[in-house]
Amino acid sequence: QLLVTQSPSASASLGASVKLTCTLSRGHSNYVVAWHQQQPEKGPRFLLKINTDGTHNKGAGIPDRFSGSSSGAERYLTISSLQSEDEGDYYCQSWDTDVVFGGGTKLTVL
Amino acid sequence: QVELVESGGGVVQPGGSLRLSCEASGFIFGQKGMHWVRRAPNKGLEWVAHIRDDGTVKSYADSVKGRFTISRDNSRNILYLQMNSLRVDETAVYYCAKDRYGTNFEFPDYWGQGTLVIVSA
Repeated sequence: QLLVTQSPSASASLGASVKLTCTLSRGHSNYVVAWHQQQPEKGPRFLLKINTDGTHNKGAGIPDRFSGSSSGAERYLTISSLQSEDEGDYYCQSWDTDVVFGGGTKLTVL
Repeated sequence: QVELVESGGGVVQPGGSLRLSCEASGFIFGQKGMHWVRRAPNKGLEWVAHIRDDGTVKSYADSVKGRFTISRDNSRNILYLQMNSLRVDETAVYYCAKDRYGTNFEFPDYWGQGTLVIVSA
């Protein structure tokens, strides 16, 4: 069964960088994932998709500050030059027989 | 630009029914699969259901199978979610989302703003 695991929280200072991690369950280490952002009181927004070769494809209008990478079963979302509006919840998502979301990481910008 | 606007949320008693709608614009609706995803208070996103572009294949989360029905009207660009036998723990904001592709589901690439469903006596 596909499971997607995320740390519940992360924090970083304004202007700094942060790397959020998503881990795929055993047997699913080559799966593609998508990252979605949800700012407070807003609908989610698709950020980017991380391909099996570690490259990523961003959604429309997503700034270059957002990038994706991978290593083994881990998929990363890196946000550089953090801004206050980056604060919110970040979800990693993949799919198998179902669509599966990770539990989300709450990002605080200090 | 892509726009997804949900409606139909409200307050319903446990065991009751509700039908949500999602009006889509800015893309060829009949060529894309569509999802419903929900977020309960203080919880994360939970996938609910997907329907392929032509409406012939539907997939559901185990938690809603047999109670919820996803459907679509490609002539009117509208997605629906019929929810029956609602439970208190299904109180959530329900989001409509467009999939990147038309047939098998992969990932949503556009989302609506959501409609709030409150299940309470």
